[in-house]
Amino acid sequence: RKEVEQDPGPFNVPEGATVAFNCTYSNSASQSFFWYRQDCRKEPKLLMSVYSSGNEDGRFTAQLNRASQYISLLIRDSKLSDSATYLCVASSASKIIFGSGTRLSIRP
Amino acid sequence: EAGVVQSPRYKIIEKKQPVAFWCNPISGHNTLYWYLQNLGQGPELLIRYENEEAVDDSQLPKDRFSAERLKGVDSTLKIQPAELGDSAVYLCASSLTAQEAFFGQGTRLTVV
Repeated sequence: RKEVEQDPGPFNVPEGATVAFNCTYSNSASQSFFWYRQDCRKEPKLLMSVYSSGNEDGRFTAQLNRASQYISLLIRDSKLSDSATYLCVASSASKIIFGSGTRLSIRP
Repeated sequence: EAGVVQSPRYKIIEKKQPVAFWCNPISGHNTLYWYLQNLGQGPELLIRYENEEAVDDSQLPKDRFSAERLKGVDSTLKIQPAELGDSAVYLCASSLTAQEAFFGQGTRLTVV
């Protein structure tokens, strides 16, 4: 079992839709959590950090549930430019682990 | 401010040949990571440095891979000898301790 698991997708949704991704992690010592975005043949780029209280950045909302050890990302009013792979990350003092990513494709 | 710089961007070598990748992290970032990414997979950590000390190299195949970070700034990752299965993108990232990592553009290695 992978330490960080994500549904690989692909998620294919129409422009303007709301889409949600979940990610589970197995290391209970994980302290910091992030969502990264990776475009095809590009490097991963930080999308947002995930805080226990939940956080929002424009159309993006991230949530953390420590009891169930999962992280979520919600994208509202999706745009064509949101098409990418979204990587979930769980980090402890000794490890930083990436999930395999969830592919999202937004269609016109 | 300059981001993480990696070179070369692309490298094609024959199997059994050596290859080296170079990384210059963001100025002031004490943590440096080398990742390997295969198509359709997330980045997998090879080695993590805190300053010049390798604090996590448990996933580095030490029979053929080596890395160094002299003076706690630039880093090199070497493969000798390369195998066909080493074809992948090698990503370098840097961060302040326990903060989010910033990635370079990667080196795409093809072993033929």
